[in-house]
Amino acid sequence: DVKVTQSSRYLVKRTGEKVFLECVQDMDHENMFWYRQDPGLGLRLIYFSYDVKMKEKGDIPEGYSVSREKKERFSLILESASTNQTSMYLCASSSGTFDGETQYFGPGTRLLVL
Amino acid sequence: DQQVKQNSPSLSVQEGRISILNCDYTNSMFDYFLWYKKYPAEGPTFLISISSIKDKNEDGRFTVFLNKSAKHLSLHIVPSQPGDSAVYFCAASASNTGNQFYFGTGTSLTVIP
Repeated sequence: DVKVTQSSRYLVKRTGEKVFLECVQDMDHENMFWYRQDPGLGLRLIYFSYDVKMKEKGDIPEGYSVSREKKERFSLILESASTNQTSMYLCASSSGTFDGETQYFGPGTRLLVL
Repeated sequence: DQQVKQNSPSLSVQEGRISILNCDYTNSMFDYFLWYKKYPAEGPTFLISISSIKDKNEDGRFTVFLNKSAKHLSLHIVPSQPGDSAVYFCAASASNTGNQFYFGTGTSLTVIP
């Protein structure tokens, strides 16, 4: 079974803090993704990565950065957290072996920025 | 601009009856479609998928139908069970964009015992 883990289930941070969200997958997947889920907006892609040290912007990258130093780990960084970044953050991975394959999701991190 | 739309935010169905969840898309390049199920405080889990070369895919109680001309897909759950109560997201991808998925806004299904 594919396992995608996220470092925290719940986080509370203050405005202006730097926030790190970590994601680890154990299936040697090439692709990793960060989404945020908000009511009425579904899942929106923030950043994704097809390979180590490689990153691509998704639909809403503003205010975020990412790091992929190792294949199994993909970190999302909020350089200066703001209240509009309060959300559920979901990490996903996929093998990258063919188009249209399934993405496997972690349990999510619910972030509250005060 | 939302390329994948789920116009019904919620749906209630009696246990044992059929649940039909709908999804529309605008990008004619999409050629792979998936449904995910999400319980509160958990990540989405893959449910069923369909490639554009098919118009139907069935897996147990779950069937996905694809109408390419109408750019519409639907998920049928028969019979519906209380454990099916969750938020359902449809997603689409295009071969020429690699593995990037576009998600709908979700439909919250409640199956009433």
